[in-house]
Amino acid sequence: ETGVTQSPTHLIKTRGQQVTLRCSSQSGHNTVSWYQQALGQGPQFIFQYYREEENGRGNFPPRFSGLQFPNYSSELNVNALELDDSALYLCASSWDRGDQETQYFGPGTRLLVL
Amino acid sequence: EDQVTQSPEALRLQEGESSSLNCSYTVSGLRGLFWYRQDPGKGPEFLFTLYSAGEEKEKERLKATLTKKESFLHITAPKPEDSATYLCAVRALSGGYNKLIFGAGTRLAVHP
Repeated sequence: ETGVTQSPTHLIKTRGQQVTLRCSSQSGHNTVSWYQQALGQGPQFIFQYYREEENGRGNFPPRFSGLQFPNYSSELNVNALELDDSALYLCASSWDRGDQETQYFGPGTRLLVL
Repeated sequence: EDQVTQSPEALRLQEGESSSLNCSYTVSGLRGLFWYRQDPGKGPEFLFTLYSAGEEKEKERLKATLTKKESFLHITAPKPEDSATYLCAVRALSGGYNKLIFGAGTRLAVHP
């Protein structure tokens, strides 16, 4: 059984560009959540996908968008990058979206916006 | 507003010196409290889930406890390999869906 994987591991972009980050959920998991973690802070919830539909969203602007595919892998897209978007982006998957489910995290993608 | 506060921000211990990390929370509709360990530059690694006041979970040198307002992560006789950031998160029902709200973490350094 493979764990959660993310790609790329590191990325450097310039302000105004667009970026796509990818996540493969753990085998059998149908729910994927994305988080942004700034240096020295805890992860902040961006949004969650359950069976290919957005299932909840945190306080992030619309330029943060996502997709979930039939195999439950997911993408996070960020348009019009800003300097403050520099952070570690984490993907977490779980068996389902219910109260008893634990989220397992991938290693993250480190994004630097110059 | 749902909120999670962890203390202390940083903790330095000598090997074998036991201590506790605190996580206090204000949340409506708590649906679980989670502890994760995070090594530098890596994703959080799941440690424990607690659901109700009075519940305790143990794993090796770590023991997590939960009350109605806070959780403690007790570290007994720590070793240098326990050095990491420990994150606390609560799952809350908000806007019709569950979401995890994290604290800022406690950075633990254990010295030989």
